[in-house]
Amino acid sequence: DAGITQSPRHKVTETGTPVTLRCHQTENHRYMYWYRQDPGHGLRLIHYSYGVKDTDKGEVSDGYSVSRSKTEDFLLTLESATSSQTSVYFCAISESNRPEAFFGQGTRLTVV
Amino acid sequence: GEDVEQSLFLSVREGDSSVINCTYTDSSSTYLYWYKQEPGAGLQLLTYIFSNMDMKQDQRLTVLLNKKDKHLSLRIADTQTGDSAIYFCAESSMIKAAGNKLTFGGGTRVLVKP
Repeated sequence: DAGITQSPRHKVTETGTPVTLRCHQTENHRYMYWYRQDPGHGLRLIHYSYGVKDTDKGEVSDGYSVSRSKTEDFLLTLESATSSQTSVYFCAISESNRPEAFFGQGTRLTVV
Repeated sequence: GEDVEQSLFLSVREGDSSVINCTYTDSSSTYLYWYKQEPGAGLQLLTYIFSNMDMKQDQRLTVLLNKKDKHLSLRIADTQTGDSAIYFCAESSMIKAAGNKLTFGGGTRVLVKP
């Protein structure tokens, strides 16, 4: 695997609480992404980053925010978790002018 | 918007060839990908093909691209039990400011029977 670490790997949280997921890379790649995986939908892009402090929305960004204060870290925050945000979350990285995108091991989040 | 479609399930006998199919709608796709996901794991990049190519071979894997019909396939020769997994097709347009934003199909679950 590329040097991507997601934490935590599993989390159960209550509806209405804030949750932050972390993605850490050791590859010094420019681009970082957050996807969610749900049955029947494949993976859908939530937010992505094209540099430190540079982020933009993806296809399913409502209810999520992100921050990237360092090249190696990309944080995904659920401001007030809802049951519809129960999912598996994947971080990915890619480099400029290279077609490959590499994925982390995922974080399974359950909102009860 | 972009759309990527795959069949849900494929069953194959060990030693046979598997063919997984995918269709996409975005005519500006630059790269098309195949990823493999084993249970409880992340996505492993198997191979990718540039949109101006029509075939790419990598050991047991052969990717065929029909750009006119927007059809992509992955052939796995001599399928093994370790090939049982979910296979995802994806496309990207490699926009400079956005890097490699991928659009995924829903995945094809491949079951290899001994």
